Amino acid sequence: AQSVTQLDSQVPVFEEAPVELRCNYSSSVSVYLFWYVQYPNQGLQLLLKYLSGSTLVKGINGFEAEFNKSQTSFHLRKPSVHISDTAEYFCAVTPAAGNKLTFGGGTRVLVKP
Amino acid sequence: ETGVTQTPRHLVMGMTNKKSLKCEQHLGHNAMYWYKQSAKKPLELMFVYNFKEQTENNSVPSRFSPECPNSSHLFLHLHTLQPEDSALYLCASSQDGAGGYEQYFGPGTRLTVT
Repeated sequence: AQSVTQLDSQVPVFEEAPVELRCNYSSSVSVYLFWYVQYPNQGLQLLLKYLSGSTLVKGINGFEAEFNKSQTSFHLRKPSVHISDTAEYFCAVTPAAGNKLTFGGGTRVLVKP
Repeated sequence: ETGVTQTPRHLVMGMTNKKSLKCEQHLGHNAMYWYKQSAKKPLELMFVYNFKEQTENNSVPSRFSPECPNSSHLFLHLHTLQPEDSALYLCASSQDGAGGYEQYFGPGTRLTVT
């Protein structure tokens, strides 16, 4: 079984400041890792994913994440946020051999002007 | 219509009612999913269908009954629900059941059980 922990439930940040959202996971098998974003009253949208290869993954809207196998982490970063980045962000894992996504509890990002 | 659509977007039902949630994907995918998103709990996978066959039932109570008549449509039939079943129900689809494929989500149905 897999589990995902997002260490911060809420992150307030000023516009144009950097942000980092932390995600740690545990699993007894190889996993793929994902970050999804959910804007108000919408479904989830994929920001980026790590399957293999380079541990630094670039996604949409200027986000990137770094996979660290030894620390079982997959932290999400953006160097400069916009008001439009206000949303909830979910880290998720799935076994490499299957499609059963396990989500973290989410981190709500509030970008202030 | 593009992507994944869900109807209705909002539903209020009594505990003795029977209702159904509908999901349709226009992406040519072969795997479909139901998730439950409650206010204070992480997103929970409920059911998975691959090529119309149910491959995952995540210990969901029998008052929730899924149906997948073809790869493009997924239903969730609801009966004798409890107030704690109030939540956002999200449908998703992916190319198939392999782990690396992105899941595309619909906007959800906000269910309130009174």
